[in-house]
Amino acid sequence: NAGVTQTPKFRVLKTGQSMTLLCAQDMNHEYMYWYRQDPGMGLRLIHYSVGEGTTAKGEVPDGYNVSRLKKQNFLLGLESAAPSQTSVYFCASSYGTSGGTDTQYFGPGTRLTVL
Amino acid sequence: GDSVTQMEGPVTLSEEAFLTINCTYTATGYPSLFWYVQYPGEGLQLLLKATKADDKGSNKGFEATYRKETTSFHLEKGSVQVSDSAVYFCALRATSGTYKYIFGTGTRLKVLA
Repeated sequence: NAGVTQTPKFRVLKTGQSMTLLCAQDMNHEYMYWYRQDPGMGLRLIHYSVGEGTTAKGEVPDGYNVSRLKKQNFLLGLESAAPSQTSVYFCASSYGTSGGTDTQYFGPGTRLTVL
Repeated sequence: GDSVTQMEGPVTLSEEAFLTINCTYTATGYPSLFWYVQYPGEGLQLLLKATKADDKGSNKGFEATYRKETTSFHLEKGSVQVSDSAVYFCALRATSGTYKYIFGTGTRLKVLA
């Protein structure tokens, strides 16, 4: 099993450009998440999905859109990149079990720089 | 709202020293608590977890006990190694219908040989 994979690993954009980050998981997980990691701020949830065809906003959704057309894939889009979106982006997935015992599995991250 | 507070880093220790990284939380109900570790250039990996009060999670020599009376989940290891150098994140997941995790800001640990 590959687990959670992210594409691309690195990307440099100019302000105003658009791009899509792809997350794929092969563990048949229901839930998927996109986080951004910034120095001194830990991980902040951007958007998440509790199943195929569903998405919901997290803590910092502005400037991002997501889609979950297939259960195994969760796409994060930046329509018009801004320097404030320079960050490391992590995707995660989990089974979505009840009772709070769920464990998240993380991808290796995408380092994005917006000039 | 729910929150997690962990001690500021970086923490620098000599090999074989005792490690404590403090973590406290604020949440309604009885959340599950987690410690994740992030090695340089990698994503986060689950280190250990505890799902109810007084549970002790353990893995790779690390331990943490879920203390509801002090709302804490401190990470400890009796003898650290250079290979333990990483960033450690405390996190909670509420049990009251939310699907979201709350992460602390992370504590960087550097172990010197």
